[in-house]
Amino acid sequence: EAGVVQSPRYKIIEKKQPVAFWCNPISGHNTLYWYLQNLGQGPELLIRYENEEAVDDSQLPKDRFSAERLKGVDSTLKIQPAELGDSAVYLCAVVAGEETQYFGPGTRLLVL
Amino acid sequence: GEDVEQSLFLSVREGDSSVINCTYTDSSSTYLYWYKQEPGAGLQLLTYIFSNMDMKQDQRLTVLLNKKDKHLSLRIADTQTGDSAIYFCAERYSSASKIIFGSGTRLSIRP
Repeated sequence: EAGVVQSPRYKIIEKKQPVAFWCNPISGHNTLYWYLQNLGQGPELLIRYENEEAVDDSQLPKDRFSAERLKGVDSTLKIQPAELGDSAVYLCAVVAGEETQYFGPGTRLLVL
Repeated sequence: GEDVEQSLFLSVREGDSSVINCTYTDSSSTYLYWYKQEPGAGLQLLTYIFSNMDMKQDQRLTVLLNKKDKHLSLRIADTQTGDSAIYFCAERYSSASKIIFGSGTRLSIRP
C-alpha cells in the first residue's frame, strides 16, 4: 500500500446519488489502474491509464462511470447515479518495478 | 477465455506448512503473482514469478510453477497466526498490461 493513498476510505450514499473516489499515488508511476472488488471476489479491472491517457476502459460502465487522470498523477473515479449493485470496494493500483502492481487501501462504498 | 481458479478455503494448524493452489488458462502469461489481503486493506504483493522459472523462494514463501499444467502454488512454511488472510493468485497476459485475479483463498490458522 505504500505510496498509494485513496480517499475517502468509506462512503455511504443513497441510490441515485453521485459519488467520487480519489487516488493519489506518489509521482513517477506512469501506469495507474482502477479496480472494483466485490465481496468474496478478486479485483476486476475498470480502467487503465498510461500517463493521462485511458488505454483500456473496455470494462468501465460508461453510462454511469467516468474517470480522469489530470497531469498523469492523481486520478478520480466517479459514479453518477449510483445503483445498489455498485456497493463494493474500489481499488487503485500503480505499476512499479518489474511490472508489479501496488495497491492502495481502497474505498469501501455502500449504496442504500 | 481468461480465468484464474483457486479453492475458496484452507485451514492449517499453526506451525505447519500451507499450500495454496491456483490454475490459470493463458499459456502465454508472462508474470504470475501472489497477493495477500487482510481485512479492510488493499492487496499486498507477496511475491511473483516470471513464466520462464519453475520455482522461486523468498524466506518462508516458495512459489512453484508448472507451465505444462498451468498450475501455480504458494507454500508458506511455519504458518503463523499473522498469515491469516485472503490470498489471490493473478496472471499477467502477454498481449496487454492486463492482470486477471482469482477469487482468492481464505487461509485460517488453528492453534
